[in-house]
Amino acid sequence: GAGVSQSPSNKVTEKGKDVELRCDPISGHTALYWYRQSLGQGLEFLIYFQGNSAPDKSGLPSDRFSAERTGGSVSTLTIQRTQQEDSAVYLCAGGASYYGYTFGSGTRLTVV
Amino acid sequence: QKEVEQNSGPLSVPEGAIASLNCTYSDRGSQSFFWYRQYSGKSPELIMFIYSNGDKEDGRFTAQLNKASQYVSLLIRDSQPSDSATYLCAVIRGTSYGKLTFGQGTILTVHP
Repeated sequence: GAGVSQSPSNKVTEKGKDVELRCDPISGHTALYWYRQSLGQGLEFLIYFQGNSAPDKSGLPSDRFSAERTGGSVSTLTIQRTQQEDSAVYLCAGGASYYGYTFGSGTRLTVV
Repeated sequence: QKEVEQNSGPLSVPEGAIASLNCTYSDRGSQSFFWYRQYSGKSPELIMFIYSNGDKEDGRFTAQLNKASQYVSLLIRDSQPSDSATYLCAVIRGTSYGKLTFGQGTILTVHP
């Protein structure tokens, strides 16, 4: 594809439900990052992948959060038993250090 | 100490002036440095990256890196109202991969 694609663009879910957020990076992006951004705040690191492995998952807020990446390509971030404090924009970025990282448009998650 | 710190701002400059955005980082092993621009409601957009000490110029933008002082800056010449945005500094330790850490961002306003 032409850029990093995230889906859905918007998700409204009821408290306690599980959600899956998808990131489809540009072909060849070896590294893939997930961040969270609350309104008016900075980027909060969640996890990053190098290929299919996750060398650093230190930013995942709790064990309700998990992520995987398959085939060195698509990544899914899963939030179980969503809480209202999970409401934020979830951003995915892919690339490499020698040419930079491109962000997707994000998924706006609202937990009601 | 935060891993990546930016001048808190907000920074306001008149149209046509030079805007100077500053960033310091704590990890002396950091190798790659990036500047992103984020408009309100949008995802971050890569505008510059730099790896070597010194200056790197791209159009109206100049990135400056001083690894000894652990300092990276972004200069925007001939600032335009369309440059009004939040500017994010990002740092990565590895030369090919690693955790991409962002500063909190500096809000820049260019007034006519």
